Amino acid sequence: GNSVTQMEGPVTLSEEAFLTINCTYTATGYPSLFWYVQYPGEGLQLLLKATKADDKGSNKGFEATYRKETTSFHLEKGSVQVSDSAVYFCALSKVTGGSYIPTFGRGTSLIVHP
Amino acid sequence: DTAVSQTPKYLVTQMGNDKSIKCEQNLGHDTMYWYKQDSKKFLKIMFSYNNKELIINETVPNRFSPKSPDKAHLNLHINSLELGDSAVYFCASSPFDSGANVLTFGAGSRLTVL
Repeated sequence: GNSVTQMEGPVTLSEEAFLTINCTYTATGYPSLFWYVQYPGEGLQLLLKATKADDKGSNKGFEATYRKETTSFHLEKGSVQVSDSAVYFCALSKVTGGSYIPTFGRGTSLIVHP
Repeated sequence: DTAVSQTPKYLVTQMGNDKSIKCEQNLGHDTMYWYKQDSKKFLKIMFSYNNKELIINETVPNRFSPKSPDKAHLNLHINSLELGDSAVYFCASSPFDSGANVLTFGAGSRLTVL
């Protein structure tokens, strides 16, 4: 079946540091890939997405590239801020039996210190 | 105007009780979901409905019963609550015909079973 594997957290960084959160997936065919972010006390919200190989999703300084050859979708940001502290979820979506089945990774907590 | 709204936001109850969580979306989406998030932030899909029809029913105790009176509503009823049911429950919705079905989440309903 489909699965998503993310690096375990928490990831702790100082403000302005470079961020990478690794994500790899297992799925047949060509799923769509997503990063969602969950701020404390809130629901998940879409951060960025990519729908085909070599697509780059970007938003709020974050970016991730859909790498079919390595089945990866790593999240990066050049300079993190305290306000980026949140839990980040990698996810994939693929049609199965006529329905879109969303699959989430376990989430990676990011803590950014001033 | 909240896109996906859940009520109640907090629910504290005794073991053995029956409770319901309501969810409504005003986005015109065809598909709605219930997810359970545990204390380690792991997200587990419980149910998915498309146009009031059940399309995903993961391994969930039959004490949990979803009900979709129309495509804008998906309620979750839980019978005979147990301590292990304590979690945050998220409702979400998505369009059905999108090539990359982005989920819109509610703010969550925190259930505490004493």
